[in-house]
Amino acid sequence: DAGVIQSPRHEVTEMGQEVTLRCKPISGHDYLFWYRQTMMRGLELLIYFNNNVPIDDSGMPEDRFSAKMPNASFSTLKIQPSEPRDSAVYFCASSFGRFHEQYFGPGTRLTVT
Amino acid sequence: DQQVKQNSPSLSVQEGRISILNCDYTNSMFDYFLWYKKYPAEGPTFLISISSIKDKNEDGRFTVFLNKSAKHLSLHIVPSQPGDSAVYFCAANGNNDMRFGAGTRLTVKP
Repeated sequence: DAGVIQSPRHEVTEMGQEVTLRCKPISGHDYLFWYRQTMMRGLELLIYFNNNVPIDDSGMPEDRFSAKMPNASFSTLKIQPSEPRDSAVYFCASSFGRFHEQYFGPGTRLTVT
Repeated sequence: DQQVKQNSPSLSVQEGRISILNCDYTNSMFDYFLWYKKYPAEGPTFLISISSIKDKNEDGRFTVFLNKSAKHLSLHIVPSQPGDSAVYFCAANGNNDMRFGAGTRLTVKP
């Protein structure tokens, strides 16, 4: 397996624009997680899915953030409208089982100017 | 609300010596703990884990110790190598919750 795949690796956009981050989990994994990493707060869990169903989105900072998982092999994290404070590295991770070790993608570095 | 704390943002160690990374937690319901290592421009990778029924788990140069009464765990790397230079995150699971620490940047000097 190629591991967790994220795209794009880098995204630079202007404030107010819509941003969509994409993730392909490892085949067979039943959990998918979205994280945000910042210098101030470290790794924050935004939302996670089990078998494509959102389970806990309490970490999503605002209504501007939304996530979907239309099938077992694809998920998106959307920010609309984007703001400069959304600038961070966003990671997607997947696992087999809720509390087993997670496999992370390489991350998407988002810069909002 | 930081339920998992890594109080040392950075640590510098000489090659060949022991590296000790610390992690404290506040939620007594956490019962499974993991360490991840992260290199620049890459995602974190799983390193080692420990269940609350144990107080030690060893894998090669890496050993994790758990002190449940103190709500404290530590990762020991011995001997440290320059390739171990990375950011290390601890994570705690339990009671349908999972939290990561903010990370400690380890630098191993040749």
